[in-house]
Amino acid sequence: EPEVTQTPSHQVTQMGQEVILRCVPISNHLYFYWYRQILGQKVEFLVSFYNNEISEKSEIFDDQFSVERPDGSNFTLKIRSTKLEDSAMYFCASSGVGTDTQYFGPGTRLTVL
Amino acid sequence: KQEVTQIPAALSVPEGENLVLNCSFTDSAIYNLQWFRQDPGKGLTSLLLIQSSQREQTSGRLNASLDKSSGRSTLYIAASQPGDSATYLCAARQRIANSKLTFGKGITLSVRP
Repeated sequence: EPEVTQTPSHQVTQMGQEVILRCVPISNHLYFYWYRQILGQKVEFLVSFYNNEISEKSEIFDDQFSVERPDGSNFTLKIRSTKLEDSAMYFCASSGVGTDTQYFGPGTRLTVL
Repeated sequence: KQEVTQIPAALSVPEGENLVLNCSFTDSAIYNLQWFRQDPGKGLTSLLLIQSSQREQTSGRLNASLDKSSGRSTLYIAASQPGDSATYLCAARQRIANSKLTFGKGITLSVRP
């Protein structure tokens, strides 16, 4: 069964560094999302992406964040100048045309020291 | 702004019991609602998606219902098993297909052998 994959599974970085989280959505899906979950809190929407552009973003998704689909398979989230409060589990999700179900990857646990 | 609430935060039941997990949302103008399962430290597994025009959806021992007018959804689990122990999250999608999901905090279910 097709699935969303994410790399790395765990990323440790120093405050102020840039990180890139990578996702490979399900191959025939056209809608892509990033969410995050701070430990003990709700899963929060960050951004959605369709047709090579951002379709929706939350208040959290400020200039520190950017997304890119560099090729036909990868979808990346870049966090510039990481802060301690960026420590969270970051989930990528995708959905296809004609089906609204969002399929989530296993997540990347980001730890900012 | 949509708010999704799941109460209680945790539930412990003996094996074999039928149980209902509740989810409430403040804005009834939802497009659909999705139920997920999350195992500790893992990603989100989609269980059921119920459209706003539907009253319920079933998959195996799981049945999800939706009452838009009262802002409520329930997930019914029949004949619970220890393997059902996990956190169950509901998430509402507003107004249009493939838009963002707004999550509840989840209910952590423990099924005792």
